Amino acid sequence: DAKTTQPPSMDCAEGRAANLPCNHSTISGNEYVYWYRQIHSQGPQYIIHGLKNNETNEMASLIITEDRKSSTLILPHATLRDTAVYYCIVRVEFQGNNNDMRFGAGTRLTVKP
Amino acid sequence: KAGVTQTPRYLIKTRGQQVTLSCSPISGHRSVSWYQQTPGQGLQFLFEYFSETQRNKGNFPGRFSGRQFSNSRSEMNVSTLELGDSALYLCASSSGTGRRETQYFGPGTRLLVL
Repeated sequence: DAKTTQPPSMDCAEGRAANLPCNHSTISGNEYVYWYRQIHSQGPQYIIHGLKNNETNEMASLIITEDRKSSTLILPHATLRDTAVYYCIVRVEFQGNNNDMRFGAGTRLTVKP
Repeated sequence: KAGVTQTPRYLIKTRGQQVTLSCSPISGHRSVSWYQQTPGQGLQFLFEYFSETQRNKGNFPGRFSGRQFSNSRSEMNVSTLELGDSALYLCASSSGTGRRETQYFGPGTRLLVL
């Protein structure tokens, strides 16, 4: 799986958009970009994933650059409850007998009032 | 659809004891993966079970074991507990077949070894 680089921490004002970057310069053509978040002491929560097209769901938008070497997770209107550690993971969608998720250190997002 | 459930949520044990944790996956999911999370090491993969067989294994000692039942529920066991086994243990379920393969995590079991 390709490695990812994320800033260790970010702040965002409540009600504003939170833009979380992720670099994955060694991504392969069949690898997806996954985003999870973990609110303190809870299990990681799946947010979104994509291959090359931008994706949007009820939680967030995922913008992947044309060369696929970086992506941005966008929380359009951050709330205090979005304070969490956000993980960017790059992997093929299914790996058969090697199907684990490789979590890095993530970005600690703090939403401030 | 109910999410992934784990029991118990909290557990206190002493060194040398053993512990069994339980995970019920999302209905229809056949793959259950287990992870250990500690402040120092982050989230680390323990093993994955699919159709009652261990399909994938992380780099943990043999004291950590698991099994999966025919209804896809899974248990993990840690024998001869050490202080360093104190952690949040997470399980995640997925279809396991490569179709819409996304892992969904449970709330975790927090184990404290004294």
